[in-house]
Amino acid sequence: DGGITQSPKYLFRKEGQNVTLSCEQNLNHDAMYWYRQDPGQGLRLIYYSQIVNDFQKGDIAEGYSVSREKKESFPLTVTSAQKNPTAFYLCASSIRTDSYEQYFGPGTRLTVT
Amino acid sequence: ILNVEQSPQSLHVQEGDSTNFTCSFPSSNFYALHWYRWETAKSPEALFVMTLNGDEKKKGRISATLNTKEGYSYLYIKGSQPEDSATYLCAPSNTGKLIFGQGTTLQVKP
Repeated sequence: DGGITQSPKYLFRKEGQNVTLSCEQNLNHDAMYWYRQDPGQGLRLIYYSQIVNDFQKGDIAEGYSVSREKKESFPLTVTSAQKNPTAFYLCASSIRTDSYEQYFGPGTRLTVT
Repeated sequence: ILNVEQSPQSLHVQEGDSTNFTCSFPSSNFYALHWYRWETAKSPEALFVMTLNGDEKKKGRISATLNTKEGYSYLYIKGSQPEDSATYLCAPSNTGKLIFGQGTTLQVKP
């Protein structure tokens, strides 16, 4: 089955710790994205990657880092510099950017206390 | 950053009613307009991607139109069913990024 997997579904961390969220796709898509959702807000773009070994900041990149060493993988690290890390995180991929529909993973809910 | 407005924020209709939502966005620097449906406990799912002014797309009872000159898109649902209950998100894209609106949450009562 082709798709996007994110793990784990729920993640709990103590304040001050870095945490890495996993995102893997087997759709052979070039582009991958990370979004964050907070209650009452739409999806906000954190980082995106149009091709392997390249990525760009989205609208709320501060406190986050990513890597794109393999086409199928786009992990997101939430660093201790992120002031409000508790949120729902969605990963997505598309064949290419702009006019191609995005396919979303199931999401990871991160709680930092 | 594009400012994307969706209205209404929420909508409650009876089964069989037809309904429509609006997505407004700045008409400059536009490349494509995406619509997604997000059901509770599921992942967002693409409905339509439109690029041309005047585009109309249809999938079953759901259709969408696009006006790039004035910066809006309409989503129509004909004869709403309980399974249409979801949040509908629109997102214009520009230089590889999608900017999502807050969504319209539809509740269809049987």
